[in-house]
Amino acid sequence: AQSVTQPDIHITVSEGASLELRCNYSYGATPYLFWYVQSPGQGLQLLLKYFSGDTLVQGIKGFEAEFKRSQSSFNLRKPSVHWSDAAEYFCAVRTGFQKLVFGTGTRLLVSP
Amino acid sequence: GAVVSQHPSRVICKSGTSVKIECRSLDFQATTMFWYRQFPKQSLMLMATSNEGSKATYEQGVEKDKFLINHASLTLSTLTVTSAHPEDSSFYICSVPSRGQETQYFGPGTRLLVL
Repeated sequence: AQSVTQPDIHITVSEGASLELRCNYSYGATPYLFWYVQSPGQGLQLLLKYFSGDTLVQGIKGFEAEFKRSQSSFNLRKPSVHWSDAAEYFCAVRTGFQKLVFGTGTRLLVSP
Repeated sequence: GAVVSQHPSRVICKSGTSVKIECRSLDFQATTMFWYRQFPKQSLMLMATSNEGSKATYEQGVEKDKFLINHASLTLSTLTVTSAHPEDSSFYICSVPSRGQETQYFGPGTRLLVL
């Protein structure tokens, strides 16, 4: 069965430091992968997606993610975190027609 | 991107009553919408696919008689939680596929608390 694992429930990063959020997926075919961010009172916002081609994808707000098929991973990175990045981050894989399977999320806390 | 609204943003109801949640696509028409449920500190779980002009498609384990979905128009889908119980308390989120069907636009969610 398709699944997404985000091993870190929460992560605390100092403002200005780099960030990496881990995501591993289980899917038989070529995966369509997504990272979403959820802030209180707002809907999930798409940060970036990978369908094919270059395995390093750039997203909004300075985020990037790298698809590694050999590791079944799609980790999210940002070189310098801002306080406004504090939120819940979800990795997801698209399975059937438009069906998304989400990971359990990683809550990012940014310390001064 | 598309704007998706949900109403109400939060609702408190008594056990045994029914609650209706609306999901509207404000930017474009959508023949398909999705309903998710999110428990605290857990992932979003797809409940059902709302189809305009036909019956909704429910995921395994979701009671169709309890969670009634009506895709009334190309911009509106409603989820009615019938005879709500405390265990139905959750965060309900709807989404609309993007024009190219590549991704989904999510509503802000509705927090339901059943007392």
